[in-house]
Order: sequence, then C-alpha cells, then structure tokens
Amino acid sequence: GAGVSQSPRYKVAKRGQDVALRCDPISGHVSLFWYQQALGQGPEFLTYFQNEAQLDKSGLPSDRFFAERPEGSVSTLKIQRTQQEDSAVYLCASSYRAGGISTDTQYFGPGTRLTVL
Amino acid sequence: AQRVTQPEKLLSVFKGAPVELKCNYSYSGSPELFWYVQYSRQRLQLLLRHISRESIKGFTADLNKGETSFHLKKPFAQEEDSAMYYCALSPAFFQGAQKLVFGQGTRLTINP
Repeated sequence: GAGVSQSPRYKVAKRGQDVALRCDPISGHVSLFWYQQALGQGPEFLTYFQNEAQLDKSGLPSDRFFAERPEGSVSTLKIQRTQQEDSAVYLCASSYRAGGISTDTQYFGPGTRLTVL
Repeated sequence: AQRVTQPEKLLSVFKGAPVELKCNYSYSGSPELFWYVQYSRQRLQLLLRHISRESIKGFTADLNKGETSFHLKKPFAQEEDSAMYYCALSPAFFQGAQKLVFGQGTRLTINP
C-alpha cells in the first residue's frame, strides 16, 4: 500500500514569505507527527495529532509555526514569515494507534526540504 | 530531560568486520529504545526496537539500563549496511503520544 507522502518535496522561500507543507499519512493511521531535521542533526519533534486533535505542540519553535489536521487525515504545517533558521527538512510520520502498552511504529514520509533565502 | 547521544558522527569499517554503533540515553523513567536507519535516497525506517529482542538484517541491540546504553551491533558488516543510523527513545506515555527523541545520527560506511 501507499506510504506516507509529503508535498512539495522541495520548497525555496524568500525570507518573510509564508509556506505550507502537506502530509498525507497512511490511510487509517490515528497518530500523526511532525519533525524538523536541520542539516547534520537528528529529527526533532514538533507536534503530534491524534485524529484531528493536536495533543502536543511543545516542539513548535515559535508562534510562526502552526499545524492542523482538520479531518483527522491530511495535515498541513504552516510557517509564517519564514526565517533563514527555518531551513531544514520537515518530516511527517504516522502510526496506526494512539497509545498502548508499547510505542507504535512510526512510518516516515520522504520529507520536504525547505530552503529560506 | 530526555536526551540521546550518539558519540560517533562517522564510522567506517571494512566488509566482514564487526561493527558497533554506540548510543547512550538519559531519561528518568523507563523509555522504549529504537534504532532507525536511512539508506541512500530512501526514507527513515525502523530497524529494530528493544522490546522485540529481534535480530534484523543481522543487527542486534541490547538495552543496558545500568549504563543507559543501547548499542547496535553486527558481527560481520556488509556493504549494503552503509547508511545513516539514528538511535531514538520514546518517553513512556506522554498524553498517549509516543513522540521520538533522536540522537544526531551515525553515518556508517562499509568499505569493500
């Protein structure tokens, strides 16, 4: 079956522009995560959705970052007034369950590489 | 605070030699530990998790709670093992979410 997809794969923005990054999780997956991966670093957690509810946004670096998942499937990560430090790969991951005895496997998308000039 | 440390950014070994990728973590509770791998031009994918106690592609990892380590080992490296490897932990039950905390990653190169 289809995996997690993300679009666009590459985005170049001028400083100050707004961008929107899309994630299509695996069908039926309840949980959706966004991670930010700066060059040479491991992914860092941004936010988490359980269906349409955003249960954790503790990793969002500033109020310029906003994420939504209005119908519990597709999610959009929006960055307003982009800055050069926002340049990174943004990864989306989904998992089947919301919780349980053990952590469910997260399936990652290919990422969106954002470059802010 | 939760932290995962992978002390080696780069690791190079010859084909057929043993390989060990180090991972240390800090967490006050009982986390779950994982190894994720990213092959060239592929997406990040789960390699193994400590609760499964499996050997995947010849790799094993043992959780040592006393040393807070979860090192990844393979007795005989193969060229197809060349990839980026990330150690990650999941804090236990954070509001039902199992976010992952990743290390910086180790790039493993297997020389022929």
